[in-house]
Amino acid sequence: GAVVSQHPSWVICKSGTSVKIECRSLDFQATTMFWYRQFPKQSLMLMATSNEGSKATYEQGVEKDKFLINHASLTLSTLTVTSAHPEDSSFYICSMAPEAFFGQGTRLTVV
Amino acid sequence: KNEVEQSPQNLTAQEGEFITINCSYSVGISALHWLQQHPGGGIVSLFMLSSGKKKHGRLIATINIQEKHSSLHITASHPRDSAVYICAVKTSGSRLTFGEGTQLTVNP
Repeated sequence: GAVVSQHPSWVICKSGTSVKIECRSLDFQATTMFWYRQFPKQSLMLMATSNEGSKATYEQGVEKDKFLINHASLTLSTLTVTSAHPEDSSFYICSMAPEAFFGQGTRLTVV
Repeated sequence: KNEVEQSPQNLTAQEGEFITINCSYSVGISALHWLQQHPGGGIVSLFMLSSGKKKHGRLIATINIQEKHSSLHITASHPRDSAVYICAVKTSGSRLTFGEGTQLTVNP
């Protein structure tokens, strides 16, 4: 079965609304979770590193107030895209450290 | 120049062919991953290597640390192997740096 469960797998939302994406580790305690986004035909781009119980570390150019990350427990990390715009439409995927276990990904479309 | 370079970018093969995808990197690494991304987007880790060679079914991965090079081989390729194959290296801590990926299409 899946080691990291991510949902929703796809979501369509209106501009200006917020969307929450969850990643749950199923069989282990994930102290660190990575959040990536991927545009079509491009490689994964690291957005932020989420550590349980502390503030996330964001990569340069990623707005921390727009992409809210919460890692409140050892089994759950969430990414909330706030005030979504069409340019936020992308594929978002989480991965836990240190092994490369990935969630199934979330395809976000903002209309 | 990217820290992780893959070749080829696109590869089309006939069912049954032997396939090789290459990955070169320019940074110090603690491990290298080969990942498979399906058309729906889901990513599966195929191998994690720090030295030598690993085999799983029809898949073989090798790494040469001195030459900073790794290869992924698929024997007796099948249409279900069609996917994007991504090389990723683990650098500082648990961060991964990704190659651009190789789009593999295996025709029946």
